[in-house]
Amino acid sequence: EPEVTQTPSHQVTQMGQEVILRCVPISNHLYFYWYRQILGQKVEFLVSFYNNEISEKSEIFDDQFSVERPDGSNFTLKIRSTKLEDSAMYFCASSQGGPNTEAFFGQGTRLTVV
Amino acid sequence: AQRVTQPEKLLSVFKGAPVELKCNYSYSGSPELFWYVQYSRQRLQLLLRHISRESIKGFTADLNKGETSFHLKKPFAQEEDSAMYYCALSGGDDKIIFGKGTRLHILP
Repeated sequence: EPEVTQTPSHQVTQMGQEVILRCVPISNHLYFYWYRQILGQKVEFLVSFYNNEISEKSEIFDDQFSVERPDGSNFTLKIRSTKLEDSAMYFCASSQGGPNTEAFFGQGTRLTVV
Repeated sequence: AQRVTQPEKLLSVFKGAPVELKCNYSYSGSPELFWYVQYSRQRLQLLLRHISRESIKGFTADLNKGETSFHLKKPFAQEEDSAMYYCALSGGDDKIIFGKGTRLHILP
C-alpha cells in the first residue's frame, strides 16, 4: 500500500540554524500539507500546497517557513532560522482531491531545537 | 472562525462498555467532518468521515448540525481501540483543522 514517507525521523539542530524536512507524498496525489504538533498540544495546520503553489497557510507559517516541491516527488519544509519554540513533531500529508478527501499522513519528523 | 473542540483529554472505559468521544465544531457553512486515529507508534490515519456514513471497526459518528456535534460512538469497547482520536473539520478551503485529541484508554 502506498505511504507518505518522511525523513529524517528525528532532527536535532541548534537555535538559529536552517533545517529542511523532507517528505515524499503518495505519487498520484495532488494536494500536500504540513502540520505540526508541539508536545502535549493539538495537531496544527501549517500550509497546503496545490498546483505548485501555496493554496492556504496559517498564521504560524511566517516568513521563517517555506515549502518547495523541487523535483516532482519530494515536498520539503524549510525553517530558515530555527527557534526553541519550533521544537515539535512535523507531519506531512497528501490527498488525491483536496481536504474533503482522505489525507494520508507520514510518520512525522521530530524536530528538537537546542 | 473554524474550530474543533474535544472536551475530554483522556477517556478511560472498561472493555465491553460503550464508548462516546465528544466533538463539537464551529463553522458557519457546511463542513466536512472526520475522525482520525493514531494508534501507538503508528501514523495518523482516517477512521471515518461523516459523508460516507459507514461504520469502521464498529465506530459510527453522526453529524448533528443543530448541536454542531460529531460524536464518535462504539457500543462495545475492545482493547485494541486504545489510541489517540482526533476530530477534524474541513471547511472547503485547503486545510483540515484538528481538535486537541482524546486519548481513549480501554481498561481490561
